[in-house]
Amino acid sequence: QVQLQQSGTELVKPASSVKISCKASGYTFTSNYMHWIRQQPGNGLEWIGWIYPGNGNTKYNQKFDGKATLTADKSSSTAYMQLSSLTSEDSAVYFCVSGWYFDFWGPGTMVTVSS
Amino acid sequence: DVVLTQTPPTLSATIGQSVSISCRSSQSLLHSNGNTYLHWLLQRPGQSPQLLIYLVSRLESGVPNRFSGSGSGTDFTLKISGVEAEDLGVYYCVQGTHAPFTFGSGTKLEIK
Repeated sequence: QVQLQQSGTELVKPASSVKISCKASGYTFTSNYMHWIRQQPGNGLEWIGWIYPGNGNTKYNQKFDGKATLTADKSSSTAYMQLSSLTSEDSAVYFCVSGWYFDFWGPGTMVTVSS
Repeated sequence: DVVLTQTPPTLSATIGQSVSISCRSSQSLLHSNGNTYLHWLLQRPGQSPQLLIYLVSRLESGVPNRFSGSGSGTDFTLKISGVEAEDLGVYYCVQGTHAPFTFGSGTKLEIK
């Protein structure tokens, strides 16, 4: 069955960067889009962007241009999202989601930005 | 960006009651390829969201058939025919027609 295993909770300092991982199994990693979604505390859902691991193509929400960088490693079926220049506004849960229709969601990675 | 307006923001239902959630888009979600990329998600308390309905009305595998979706253009509805206790949570519509993809603000379903 489809599984998305995300990396653990991160506590990071302002102005730093963090890289979150999402290891996929149970389906063909290279043939499915992977979205990344942000959910701030008590808030709704925001689309950050997608990556197509088969060829590395990406599409970003302009709001996250310069903030998020999406990559994928085909050899390990793992997608990554790096977030840079972190501020308290970036404190949130981040989900990886496989499939064009937002088919399957990972458990989420909580990122807390605090000095 | 496309704005999805969900109503009502909260819904209180008894077991067995049928309920509907509306999702209205600020522009048509009909893609030039003929598909309408409007989907429905449920986020149960403490869990990540799960896909219920995709492409307006197609039931995701494993989702009970008491859930149904309808609509076209800018106006969409999720119906639950006979609410069960496990249906509590927040329902979101999401559009994948126009980038950036956007979500509705959610409808919280409470069980009386």
